[in-house]
Amino acid sequence: GAVVSQHPSRVICKSGTSVKIECRSLDFQATTMFWYRQFPKKSLMLMATSNEGSKATYEQGVEKDKFLINHASLTLSTLTVTSAHPEDSSFYICSARGTGATDTQYFGPGTRLTVL
Amino acid sequence: KNEVEQSPQNLTAQEGEFITINCSYSVGISALHWLQQHPGGGIVSLFMLSSGKKKHGRLIATINIQEKHSSLHITASHPRDSAVYICAVLAATGNQFYFGTGTSLTVIP
Repeated sequence: GAVVSQHPSRVICKSGTSVKIECRSLDFQATTMFWYRQFPKKSLMLMATSNEGSKATYEQGVEKDKFLINHASLTLSTLTVTSAHPEDSSFYICSARGTGATDTQYFGPGTRLTVL
Repeated sequence: KNEVEQSPQNLTAQEGEFITINCSYSVGISALHWLQQHPGGGIVSLFMLSSGKKKHGRLIATINIQEKHSSLHITASHPRDSAVYICAVLAATGNQFYFGTGTSLTVIP
């Protein structure tokens, strides 16, 4: 079946640094990729939707200058957390949808970010 | 009120027991997903359903579109099944996904 991978699975960084998380669709082309954030004991929260070759659409309350999303190809989207702060520590999950109108959406395994 | 409600929130079972987790939703959907999240965070997609029933190993997922309800069953539960199970629905009207808050399952040896 379709697989979505994320890299890294875990990352620890110092406050003030930037961290890039990659999301790849491994055996299908994804025109749309979604980035979610999960707070402790909470459900997943949609951060942004990105379409290949165009700017991401951010949900209300999500800082687009802090969470930079690039969807440069049909198999890769990146989320960069800029000038990370401890409150950015969270679990980030990407999801990808195929190119067909009825294509389903597949979830990546997630990335645990810890900012010290 | 959440668009997706799961029950129970927490569940403890003895190894070997049959387990049922329920999901009810209030929006029209094009698909429903069951996700498994292990301690440490990693998410695994278990099922994607739009109708009927699917089975994979000891896991069975059913959906009743008319009643807007889905169940995830685990037969012969095992401690390695201990995880959080999340129900997610894809709204019929677009890209919007709605997530349940998850059911935390602990299977005791």
